[in-house]
Amino acid sequence: RKEVEQDPGPFNVPEGATVAFNCTYSNSASQSFFWYRQDCRKEPKLLMSVYSSGNEDGRFTAQLNRASQYISLLIRDSKLSDSATYLCVVTHSGGYQKVTFGTGTKLQVIP
Amino acid sequence: EAGVAQSPRYKIIEKRQSVAFWCNPISGHATLYWYQQILGQGPKLLIQFQNNGVVDDSQLPKDRFSAERLKGVDSTLKIQPAKLEDSAVYLCASSLAGTGYSIGYEQYFGPGTRLTVT
Repeated sequence: RKEVEQDPGPFNVPEGATVAFNCTYSNSASQSFFWYRQDCRKEPKLLMSVYSSGNEDGRFTAQLNRASQYISLLIRDSKLSDSATYLCVVTHSGGYQKVTFGTGTKLQVIP
Repeated sequence: EAGVAQSPRYKIIEKRQSVAFWCNPISGHATLYWYQQILGQGPKLLIQFQNNGVVDDSQLPKDRFSAERLKGVDSTLKIQPAKLEDSAVYLCASSLAGTGYSIGYEQYFGPGTRLTVT
């Protein structure tokens, strides 16, 4: 089983739609969780951290379920500019920050 | 604030040749990462430095890949000899993550080096 798993998609959604991505992780000792966004032929950039209590940033909501070992990202009112690959990132500490990326979920927002 | 710098941006080489990539992290960032990203996949960690020491190189193909981080600042990644399957984007990232149990630091990525091996 992969340490971090994501549905690769692509998710094709119309503008204005709500879309949700899940990411599962295998290491129960994982401590920090992030969503990164990667545009085509660009480097990944932090979208948001994921906190235990859940967090929201505008149209984006991230949630963590430690019991089931998954995190989610919800995008409301999708814009064309949201088209990108969304990477789930999980870290844990073994004396240093060990980081594992998922394979990414591709989102295409259609006019 | 200057971001993570990488060079070259693009490189085309023939198999069995050697190639080197350079990375200059954000000033003050203790941790430096090299990732390999193959088209359609997520970044795969090759090696992680904390200051100038290696903390994780478990996925580095050590028979052909090497990396160093002199003086705990910039870093080079070398491939010798290159294989066709090394064609990928090589991403360098840095973060404030330090020693001990510090976790949860954002990584900042450079623009990457796109390597094509023919």
